[in-house]
Amino acid sequence: GIQVEQSPPDLILQEGANSTLRCNFSDSVNNLQWFHQNPWGQLINLFYIPSGTKQNGRLSATTVATERYSLLYISSSQTTDSGVYFCAVEGRETSGSRLTFGEGTQLTVNP
Amino acid sequence: NAGVTQTPKFQVLKTGQSMTLQCAQDMNHEYMSWYRQDPGMGLRLIHYSVGAGITDQGEVPNGYNVSRSTTEDFPLRLLSAAPSQTSVYFCASRRQGAKWSYEQYFGPGTRLTVT
Repeated sequence: GIQVEQSPPDLILQEGANSTLRCNFSDSVNNLQWFHQNPWGQLINLFYIPSGTKQNGRLSATTVATERYSLLYISSSQTTDSGVYFCAVEGRETSGSRLTFGEGTQLTVNP
Repeated sequence: NAGVTQTPKFQVLKTGQSMTLQCAQDMNHEYMSWYRQDPGMGLRLIHYSVGAGITDQGEVPNGYNVSRSTTEDFPLRLLSAAPSQTSVYFCASRRQGAKWSYEQYFGPGTRLTVT
C-alpha cells in the first residue's frame, strides 16, 4: 500500500516563529489532507489539497503531486497551534475511502 | 447540518464485554469508514463501506464487526472487548466518485478504555 512519511517528528518553536512541515508519499493520490489534532484529541481538518496551493489565515499548504510531497507552512505561530499535525493520503489505486496517515509532527509552541 | 456524529464520547468496558460505537452522518455521503488511533500514532483503518449493504476490511479489522443498513449510519461492534482495543475511535465519511471531492470528514471520536 501507499506509504506516508512526515518530518520532522518533533518541533519546538517560540511564539511568533515560522515553520514548515513536510509530507512525502510513495504513489499517486486522489486525496491529501492535513489535520491538526489539538491537546484534547479533536481532529481538525486544515486543508484538502491533492495538488496546488491553498492558504487559510496564517496557514498555507502546497502539494507537488508529480514529486509526491506536500508542505504545510505555519507563520507567526501561536501557543494554540500546539498539537500534532497529520498528513493523510488516499492512493489513486485505492478502492473505497481509505486514508493512510503519517505518524505526525508534534508541534510545541512556547510563549 | 450536524456533519459526522459519534456516540458515546467516552466508554469504559471490562474485558469480554460487548458494545456498539455509533456513527451517523447527515451529508448523504456514500462512503463511511472507521479508524482507530493508538497513543503516539496516526489513525489506522478498521473497516469501511462504499454504500448501504457493502462493507470491507481495512488494515486492522480483527475483533470488530460492522454493518451498513442505511446510508446515514455505520455502527462498529466489539463482540468481546480486549485491553488491546483501548484506543480512540474515529468515524469518517465522504462522497463517492471522481466528480466529487475526495475530502473526508471526521467525527469527534470515542475514547474507549478496556480494563
